[in-house]
Amino acid sequence: KNEVEQSPQNLTAQEGEFITINCSYSVGISALHWLQQHPGGGIVSLFMLSSGKKKHGRLIATINIQEKHSSLHITASHPRDSAVYICAPIQGAQKLVFGQGTRLTINP
Amino acid sequence: NAGVTQTPKFRVLKTGQSMTLLCAQDMNHEYMYWYRQDPGMGLRLIHYSVGEGTTAKGEVPDGYNVSRLKKQNFLLGLESAAPSQTSVYFCASSNHGTSGIITQYFGPGTRLTVL
Repeated sequence: KNEVEQSPQNLTAQEGEFITINCSYSVGISALHWLQQHPGGGIVSLFMLSSGKKKHGRLIATINIQEKHSSLHITASHPRDSAVYICAPIQGAQKLVFGQGTRLTINP
Repeated sequence: NAGVTQTPKFRVLKTGQSMTLLCAQDMNHEYMYWYRQDPGMGLRLIHYSVGEGTTAKGEVPDGYNVSRLKKQNFLLGLESAAPSQTSVYFCASSNHGTSGIITQYFGPGTRLTVL
C-alpha cells in the first residue's frame, strides 16, 4: 500500500467547474506540500500547510492532520489549470513523500 | 535570482557510461535534494544534503553518488549507467525556517535516457 494516495488519478472537467483533489497519507508528518507540474515538466510548490486552510487566488488547500487527509480545491477552473497536481507530505529531516499525482484537464 | 538550475537538460548515454548532473541554487539554501520521476510512480528521493560537505541516502540511492563540496552546488553522479536509470531527474533546495517548516524549490529537470 502506498504511503500517499491521491484521488482521482485523472480528472477531466469543463471550464468553470469546481475541482477537488484528495490526498490521504499513512505516515506521520509535520506539514504537507501541494505541487503543480505543468506539461513542460517544471514543478512548483502551490501550498505548504500544517493545519487548517490556505487560499491563494482560486486555489484552496485544507488539511486535517489527525485524519491524515488533505484536499486541494480549484474554483472557477480554467484551461491553464491543466496540470498534474502532486500531494507531498513532509516527514522528518525535511523529506517529502510523494503521491503519484492527479492529472487534471480543463476543457474550454 | 535564477533559483534552482540543472545542467544538462537532456542527455543520452550508452550502458556503462558515466556522467554527472549539476544542480545549482542561488538562494543560500542549506538543504538540497535529488529526485527521480518515472511514469506511473511518484517522485522518489535519491540522495539529499543538509549542508555543505554532508550527504545522505534517500529512498533509491543505489547506482548513484553525490557530492556537496560547495553550498550552492549538489552533484549527482552515475558511475556506470544502466537502462533502469532512464528517468527525469529533479533537483530541489530548501531552507529551515523559524517554524521548522520549509518550502522546496525545484529545478526544471534533466531528462536522461540510457540505451
